[in-house]
Amino acid sequence: DVKVTQSSRYLVKRTGEKVFLECVQDMDHENMFWYRQDPGLGLRLIYFSYDVKMKEKGDIPEGYSVSREKKERFSLILESASTNQTSMYLCASFMAASYNEQFFGPGTRLTVL
Amino acid sequence: AQKITQTQPGMFVQEKEAVTLDCTYDTSDPSYGLFWYKQPSSGEMIFLIYQGSYDQQNATEGRYSLNFQKARKSANLVISASQLGDSAMYFCAMRNQGGSEKLVFGKGTKLTVNP
Repeated sequence: DVKVTQSSRYLVKRTGEKVFLECVQDMDHENMFWYRQDPGLGLRLIYFSYDVKMKEKGDIPEGYSVSREKKERFSLILESASTNQTSMYLCASFMAASYNEQFFGPGTRLTVL
Repeated sequence: AQKITQTQPGMFVQEKEAVTLDCTYDTSDPSYGLFWYKQPSSGEMIFLIYQGSYDQQNATEGRYSLNFQKARKSANLVISASQLGDSAMYFCAMRNQGGSEKLVFGKGTKLTVNP
């Protein structure tokens, strides 16, 4: 079974802290994505990566950065967490140039106090 | 730029009836895929159905079918014989093919199936 795992299901941080959200997939997928999900706004793309060390901004990259040092791992970094970054964060991955489904992690619900 | 629009924030349907969830899209890429996902209250994203931009026939998967109208750029999801377990959020998504493959989602439709 394809597996996408995220480091935490629930996370509580304080304003100004540096936060790392980790996503790991075990199917050798090239493409990995980070979204945040908020009620009424759907899934909004933060960053994505189509290869190791490659990254592209999504629709809402402000306040976030990413790292992809290994193919299986895609990290989302909040350099200085703010309360408006309280949200559900979802990671997804899929194989390049295929129309197989995308695979999602279980999500991390981040609360910034 | 790629964009997905779901205009129905909420929909209600009686059990055993059919329901259509709307999705329109915008892209300049000739090759793309359209997806529907279900997200129950537990939060996991469940893949339902896929339609390729070059597919001649509408996709079907059990009680789910995708009404693909390419000229109108619409990809509506039809659920037949609704069940109580169909109550969930439904998301339409699009992914271009080739180059950097960007996967974008609509805002979702909350479907409630009434007994």
